[in-house]
Amino acid sequence: LAKITQPISMDSYEGQEVNITCSHNNIATNDYITWYQQFPSQGPRFIIQGYKTKVTNEVASLFIPADRKSSTLSLPRVSLSDTAVYYCLVGDLVDSSYKLIFGSGTRLLVRP
Amino acid sequence: ETGVTQTPRHLVMGMTNKKSLKCEQHLGHNAMYWYKQSAKKPLELMFVYNFKEQTENNSVPSRFSPECPNSSHLFLHLHTLQPEDSALYLCASSQELGQGLYNYGYTFGSGTRLTVV
Repeated sequence: LAKITQPISMDSYEGQEVNITCSHNNIATNDYITWYQQFPSQGPRFIIQGYKTKVTNEVASLFIPADRKSSTLSLPRVSLSDTAVYYCLVGDLVDSSYKLIFGSGTRLLVRP
Repeated sequence: ETGVTQTPRHLVMGMTNKKSLKCEQHLGHNAMYWYKQSAKKPLELMFVYNFKEQTENNSVPSRFSPECPNSSHLFLHLHTLQPEDSALYLCASSQELGQGLYNYGYTFGSGTRLTVV
């Protein structure tokens, strides 16, 4: 099964840029990389998705190197409300069966 | 509201009870999923339905029984659960099921917090 690794936790301060990296060395060739944000007692919420190079939207950027074995979620100028758990999601081919795999999540704490 | 509604939000049940969790989406999605989220564990996929047909059962014990009467509704029937089944149960939907999330991926509900006593 795909080994997806993320840091367990990160601390930051308001106004700083936060970069969270996910390692996914068995990503399926045609698959995209998706990041989700989850607040307590809520379901994960889509943040950003990409296939390669760089993707940017109104809340985040996603950097994907050429080998696609990792990805970095970048949150510019975080605020207290960005305190949440961040998950990356990739697909993997396991015994010819396609599976979607969530990472174990990175708990981000933003301090004043 | 995300477009995926789960009821109830909280449920406490005894080990001999029978209860059901409900999920409803009106996003026009064709695939629906049940996930289990326990403390200190990653999201665990339980069941996948595509156009009302079950396409995946991820080795889930038979005390969990899913039902998908149509593409908009998904149920999880529970009976004789164990205390270790206490968790947040999340329903999700996606436009389609297939290799590559070339759409906006999953839309999750807020979950049902289940406590088995």
